[in-house]
Amino acid sequence: DTAVSQTPKYLVTQMGNDKSIKCEQNLGHDTMYWYKQDSKKFLKIMFSYNNKELIINETVPNRFSPKSPDKAHLNLHINSLELGDSAVYFCASSWGGSGANVLTFGAGSRLTVL
Amino acid sequence: QQQVKQSPQSLIVQKGGISIINCAYENTAFDYFPWYQQFPGKGPALLIAIRPDVSEKKEGRFTISFNKSAKQFSLHIMDSQPGDSATYFCAASNTGTASKLTFGTGTRLQVTL
Repeated sequence: DTAVSQTPKYLVTQMGNDKSIKCEQNLGHDTMYWYKQDSKKFLKIMFSYNNKELIINETVPNRFSPKSPDKAHLNLHINSLELGDSAVYFCASSWGGSGANVLTFGAGSRLTVL
Repeated sequence: QQQVKQSPQSLIVQKGGISIINCAYENTAFDYFPWYQQFPGKGPALLIAIRPDVSEKKEGRFTISFNKSAKQFSLHIMDSQPGDSATYFCAASNTGTASKLTFGTGTRLQVTL
């Protein structure tokens, strides 16, 4: 059983399109995250949700909209895709509070915008 | 602003050698310092972590050394093996519900036979 699963693993699309990436965790964690890893492998947090509430919202274009229907799911919708959005997007989860720093990552979703 | 600086960018070590990766941080509020290991096509996975109340933590072949006054910490991999070839990220955060991990830029380690 995969602890943090993301779909799709690969996504190739044209500029201007809208796409979504889904994430589910079966660890019972109450906090979920989206991280972006660029071509130089730099990992940067985008969003964090704790019990379905947005608690971290970094400086991310508002074309990116996360949604957490319940604490086991966190989806990422991206509107009007741009070339610079090409990256690997990682979902992660953790316990909140003092355990908030121990993250379990998914395998990533590689987005290529043409 | 890069709050966690990591070096070297890449490292080649012979099998059986010692791999050393260094990180420096700026934010004195950081109180948790993990290292993550990432294999190609996979997500990062927690390898080992330390809090600033100790200067060293060892788990098997992996050791973190921590220097609070210098705001530096390092990962030592003893008896490096080809299976250790991966990208290693240091990170730092302060604890709390809204805490976030700030990652270093990564070190690509290659262990040769």
